[in-house]
Formats: sequence, structure tokens, C-alpha cells
Amino acid sequence: QLQLQESGPGLVKPSETLSLTCTVSGGSISSSSFYWGWIRQPPGKGLEWIGSIYHSGSTYYNPSLESRVTISVDTSKSQFSLKLSSVTAADTAIYYCARGSASYYYDHFDYWGQGTLVTVSS
Amino acid sequence: DIQMTQSPSSVSASVGDRVTITCRASQGISSWLAWYQQKPGKAPKLLIYAASSLQSGVPSRFSGSGSGTEFTLTISSLQPEDFATYYCQQANSFPRTFGQGTKVEIK
Repeated sequence: QLQLQESGPGLVKPSETLSLTCTVSGGSISSSSFYWGWIRQPPGKGLEWIGSIYHSGSTYYNPSLESRVTISVDTSKSQFSLKLSSVTAADTAIYYCARGSASYYYDHFDYWGQGTLVTVSS
Repeated sequence: DIQMTQSPSSVSASVGDRVTITCRASQGISSWLAWYQQKPGKAPKLLIYAASSLQSGVPSRFSGSGSGTEFTLTISSLQPEDFATYYCQQANSFPRTFGQGTKVEIK
């Protein structure tokens, strides 16, 4: 059974960089059939897609965050990572990592991590 | 960006009721739509993909329909474990966008 687990600091100071890692177990992070993404959810609010990284290495980011976001993969560690720079209180949210599954007729997130709350505060 | 609008924002229903949630896209997305269920304190769970395909392990009381700009998620007979918030998500184009959510509450 595939499992994803987010890890990283739960508290980040304003203007600093938020860094999270998602560790994938029970399956291969290198499979070309899947891609990997980050989604966040401010407390009590809805879901916001942050970005995704594909087997080819291509990345796609939400334009609202693009200037501050980097997603990368480390296949040797079966991990992918999120970096979000210059954070403000508006970046306080639960951050989820997820596996994306896509073909010629479908594209969705089918496995999710449990989520990790990141608070931006001094 | 494609805007996804769900209605209603919340619905009160009883066990055994039929519940229908609508998701409208601001432009056509063919069948590139997924539905997720989220319970408090938990990650979203995939229910429906490609607008109408049931994810493995999801009870058959859940069904999805629609294409283009209008989609529906139907729960044919609401069960106690179905009280949750439901989100639609489009995968037609970047950025991926979610609806604002529909909370299904106990009547």
C-alpha cells in the first residue's frame, strides 16, 4: 500500500523559506505512470493546488505562488520536496503531498499524505 | 484560471437521503474532473475520477456525472460515515483548481 508522509518545521518565521519533504513508501517514486504534487489548505478553508512535478522533471506551479515555489524530487531517497520562500501569515496552512495519476482520459490525486500544519509567525 | 463553483455550500440531510452536489466550471473541461471527500482532521480521499469513474474501494452509492461545464456528485442513500466536506477539482488545464467545498451535515 502506497504511503506518503510529510515532514518539516511546523513553525516558520515571516520572510523565511518554508521547506517540506514528502517521503514515499510502498511504491516507486520513479514510475513514469505517476506524478507528485503539493496542495495546501488554510485552517477552516478550501484546497489550493501549489504545484506538481512529473517523471520528465517538468514542473508546473500555481501562478499565484510561482515566483516563490520550487518542487524537486530526490529519487535516491524516494522523496520530493517543496520550498516556498518569503512566507507571510497568509501561507499558514496544512500542507499535503499527493501522488497524481494520469492517462489519456483521467488525471487526479489518488494518494495523499496525512498533512502537516505549518504556521508562519515570529 | 478555470473557476470551479460548487452548490450548495452546505446541505443538511438525514441518513438514507439522496444528496446531489453540483460543480460548475467557468469553461469547458470535458470530463477532466475528480471528486474528493474530506473528513475533519483528515486528508482528502478520491471518490470519483474522469467525472464518472468510481475509485476502487469507494461504495457504489457514490456516483458522478456530467461533462463540459456542469457536473454532479450523487450519494444515493446517505450513510453516517458520509457526513463530510466534498470538493471537485478540474484537471483540464493548469493551474489545477478546486471548488470551494460542500459540507454535508446531519439534519
